[in-house]
Amino acid sequence: SQQGEEDPQALSIQEGENATMNCSYKTSINNLQWYRQNSGRGLVHLILIRSNEREKHSGRLRVTLDTSKKSSSLLITASRAADTASYFCATRWSDYKLSFGAGTTVTVRA
Amino acid sequence: DGGITQSPKYLFRKEGQNVTLSCEQNLNHDAMYWYRQDPGQGLRLIYYSQIVNDFQKGDIAEGYSVSREKKESFPLTVTSAQKNPTAFYLCASGPFGPGNTIYFGEGSWLTVV
Repeated sequence: SQQGEEDPQALSIQEGENATMNCSYKTSINNLQWYRQNSGRGLVHLILIRSNEREKHSGRLRVTLDTSKKSSSLLITASRAADTASYFCATRWSDYKLSFGAGTTVTVRA
Repeated sequence: DGGITQSPKYLFRKEGQNVTLSCEQNLNHDAMYWYRQDPGQGLRLIYYSQIVNDFQKGDIAEGYSVSREKKESFPLTVTSAQKNPTAFYLCASGPFGPGNTIYFGEGSWLTVV
């Protein structure tokens, strides 16, 4: 399977702290994408990082990609209660399928 | 509003019945996708379509069927052959090509009663 695998499965942090989650995958990719899902809702796209990029930022989000280790990380800085959600990495290679991992559930405590 | 519309949001089906989930997009995207999500799990690809009148099986296509007669529409039929259809179904669309983002609808909950 080409699926990304997120780690940890669950994360609980205090508001204001940083949250870091990791994604590992198995084969060469075209790009890697991170999505957020609030309970019972659709997925919202956060960041796309291409295989020739090493780091991208978007607001309080920072994504890194290490293709030699086949891994990516998502950092959420200064977390807020509204960041409580599940976060998924998705990998895409030569065809058009986007494969998802099982996600990391983040709980931000007030 | 631009976006992806899935309907219905909640659907109950009796065993042995077929049911069709609707997905419509007005984003002018070429590619459309159907994913299934079980509680606490990731997404698994059912079918995808890159262009009108063409579609390919994903990882778990058995018991499902699709059509792509119009660019903006990609309905999914859950047939009676699907042994465990209770799940959250997500439709997505995106521009043609593997280097692009895909965008999701709000999902449809299907429960077999």
